[in-house]
Amino acid sequence: EAGVTQSPTHLIKTRGQQATLRCSPISGHTSVYWYQQALGLGLQFLLWYDEGEERNRGNFPPRFSGRQFPNYSSELNVNALELEDSALYLCASSWATSGRSDEQFFGPGTRLTVL
Amino acid sequence: SQQGEEDPQALSIQEGENATMNCSYKTSINNLQWYRQNSGRGLVHLILIRSNEREKHSGRLRVTLDTSKKSSSLLITASRAADTASYFCATGGLGAGSYQLTFGKGTKLSVIP
Repeated sequence: EAGVTQSPTHLIKTRGQQATLRCSPISGHTSVYWYQQALGLGLQFLLWYDEGEERNRGNFPPRFSGRQFPNYSSELNVNALELEDSALYLCASSWATSGRSDEQFFGPGTRLTVL
Repeated sequence: SQQGEEDPQALSIQEGENATMNCSYKTSINNLQWYRQNSGRGLVHLILIRSNEREKHSGRLRVTLDTSKKSSSLLITASRAADTASYFCATGGLGAGSYQLTFGKGTKLSVIP
């Protein structure tokens, strides 16, 4: 069974540009989560999508946005990039929420560097 | 914001020894999960323990959960050089809308051959 996949592996952008990161969940999973791992800040929750809807978002500005497609894959968009957006962006997927949280399985991440 | 802390921040042991990492958290939880991360890449899911469980085993891993003390421990027995990695605990919240994970800062484990 294929795991969570993310693309691209690395992304280099300059300040003010936009970045688009993509994630494909494990087959059968409908929930997709995005996390940011920045140096010195640890792993921070960004966004959670389930059945095409945004269910929750972390303490990040609106220029971090995303969507989930009918096939449950997801896209994270970061507008007006700032230097401090440089980080490893991790996507995770889990089974449909059954009234409780379950195991989340992570992809290999996208390393975003903002110059 | 971080839910809690792992202790110790770094741990160095000889191959074959046991490694114990602790995690504390602040709020009520549905479950607690442990992950391993090698060299800043993706997280590997190790084990999930639910709030109504006290202990769980998986191969060389043993996890305990004490909800009264809001703490958990991960024991890796007979460690190997390949266990060298950062280990994170993460808590899953209660109630709809809180299923995202809240991570601790991690323990960096070095296993010396």
